[in-house]
Amino acid sequence: SQQGEEDPQALSIQEGENATMNCSYKTSINNLQWYRQNSGRGLVHLILIRSNEREKHSGRLRVTLDTSKKSSSLLITASRAADTASYFCATGGERGNMLTFGGGTRLMVKP
Amino acid sequence: KAGVTQTPRYLIKTRGQQVTLSCSPISGHRSVSWYQQTPGQGLQFLFEYFSETQRNKGNFPGRFSGRQFSNSRSEMNVSTLELGDSALYLCASSPTTGISGNTIYFGEGSWLTVV
Repeated sequence: SQQGEEDPQALSIQEGENATMNCSYKTSINNLQWYRQNSGRGLVHLILIRSNEREKHSGRLRVTLDTSKKSSSLLITASRAADTASYFCATGGERGNMLTFGGGTRLMVKP
Repeated sequence: KAGVTQTPRYLIKTRGQQVTLSCSPISGHRSVSWYQQTPGQGLQFLFEYFSETQRNKGNFPGRFSGRQFSNSRSEMNVSTLELGDSALYLCASSPTTGISGNTIYFGEGSWLTVV
């Protein structure tokens, strides 16, 4: 079963706009990782944020984590057509490297 | 450094047959995990191996099994295939297991179609 949900399920924006995706989860976590998946391909790791961190940046990506609300957000700034993909959050708990995934957000960036 | 390598990339099998998928982790990584991705159930954890030992197992029937070799390479096997086993099977590797800062890297996956 999936840990939580991602919101929105689908998002369509114009190139240059910012895209924000949200992820909620249900149980306590050690970390939360965001991944990108292009159609039919594998998962590309974007960012890992530990449970004791509140915000992390990587290039045009900004991730926040609010453990009190059991939620995280991924912000992509100045989006490009190449950012078109599905984005997944995955939580890591206390069971080794087992990740529990959300349902994903399908992002379409129109040129 | 080469990424996680999975073979074969695509395969078609008949109901009742069995299939073996292979995964080579990133060099130096000792943890290998497997996931199943379907449109209906999304991404689901199958199992994790670390130092040739199964560390965790997801909620899948016993037809799904795996193993890890001394060089950290891993295989998963699905016996008595069912139509519902059609999915993208993803392998993931990580240097170690059980720590909060463990980045987990995925391969391109193996597309299995059961007819």
